[in-house]
Amino acid sequence: QKEVEQDPGPLSVPEGAIVSLNCTYSNSAFQYFMWYRQYSRKGPELLMYTYSSGNKEDGRFTAQVDKSSKYISLFIRDSQPSDSATYLCAMRRGSNYKLTFGKGTLLTVNP
Amino acid sequence: NAGVTQTPKFQVLKTGQSMTLQCAQDMNHNSMYWYRQDPGMGLRLIYYSASEGTTDKGEVPNGYNVSRLNKREFSLRLESAAPSQTSVYFCASSDGGRDGYTFGSGTRLTVV
Repeated sequence: QKEVEQDPGPLSVPEGAIVSLNCTYSNSAFQYFMWYRQYSRKGPELLMYTYSSGNKEDGRFTAQVDKSSKYISLFIRDSQPSDSATYLCAMRRGSNYKLTFGKGTLLTVNP
Repeated sequence: NAGVTQTPKFQVLKTGQSMTLQCAQDMNHNSMYWYRQDPGMGLRLIYYSASEGTTDKGEVPNGYNVSRLNKREFSLRLESAAPSQTSVYFCASSDGGRDGYTFGSGTRLTVV
């Protein structure tokens, strides 16, 4: 079993839809959870950073962590065509540990 | 504010040729990383340097070598390129804090 599992999609939604992206993990030592966004032919960029269980909101984006279920989610409200990208989850045990990435989910938002 | 700069952006090599991918960061980060990204495989760690003067193997180190030249620069060398090394290579850096990793824009390498 891989440490981090992420459905690769692809996921195609109409503009304005609510998007839910998810990752599951097996290592209970993970404490820090992140979501990266990667546009085509670009490097990944950090989108959201959370520590421990709970929700964190930033504009149209909400990151959710459920440590008891080893499950993290990213919700995008009122999705826009500019949100079309690959979204990668990432997590690590502590501040100075390497990140473990999911394989990424390709999202297309259609106008 | 350049962040992480990778050169070259594109490269075509013949099998057996060698080349060095360059990476430099201007954020005073301690840690630097080299990843390759292939369709369906996600990001795979090749080598990393937790701090200046140290380097360690990642998930897929075979066929590669690295040099942490100083705190800013971390290079990746392919000694004898193979078609299986055709990929997009990303360099990243980190200070271990809340900002996660900062990635460069990538090098698209084709080995024919």
